[in-house]
Amino acid sequence: QKEVEQDPGPLSVPEGAIVSLNCTYSNSAFQYFMWYRQYSRKGPELLMYTYSSGNKEDGRFTAQVDKSSKYISLFIRDSQPSDSATYLCAISLRSYGQNFVFGPGTRLSVLP
Amino acid sequence: GAGVSQSPSNKVTEKGKDVELRCDPISGHTALYWYRQRLGQGLEFLIYFQGNSAPDKSGLPSDRFSAERTGESVSTLTIQRTQQEDSAVYLCASSQYTLLGGGSTDTQYFGPGTRLTVL
Repeated sequence: QKEVEQDPGPLSVPEGAIVSLNCTYSNSAFQYFMWYRQYSRKGPELLMYTYSSGNKEDGRFTAQVDKSSKYISLFIRDSQPSDSATYLCAISLRSYGQNFVFGPGTRLSVLP
Repeated sequence: GAGVSQSPSNKVTEKGKDVELRCDPISGHTALYWYRQRLGQGLEFLIYFQGNSAPDKSGLPSDRFSAERTGESVSTLTIQRTQQEDSAVYLCASSQYTLLGGGSTDTQYFGPGTRLTVL
């Protein structure tokens, strides 16, 4: 079983839709959960960061962590064409160092 | 300010040749990471430098791979005797350990990557 699993998509939605992106993980010891956005031919950029369980909201983005189910989600409200990118989840045992495990990414297209 | 830069942006080489990839981190960032990203796969950790500590090389896939960093500045990743399976995007990230609401974190800032193609 892979440490982190993520549906690779592609996922296409109309502009204004609510998008739900998800990852599951296998190791219950993971404590740090992140979502990165990667535009084509660019490096990933940190979008959301959550420590332990719970929800975190930042503008149109909401990150949720359910440690009991080992499931993390990223919701995008009022999606825009500029949100079209690949979204990677990342999890870690510690907040630093080599422990970051990345999912393969979900490619999202928001159609105008 | 300037972000992480990597060079070259693209590299095409023949099987068996050596290649050298360069990363210029954000000034003042003590940590530097190298990752490999194969098509349709997640980022694969290769090596981690933190200040003057010995680097964590646990992710290097074979002894053909090596990396160096001069102090807290430029890093080079060298792949010797390249193989076709080495074809991937090689990403570099730098970070400065910071406190971030609810805990501390090591926010990584990524460069654009070097796309390596081994023919």
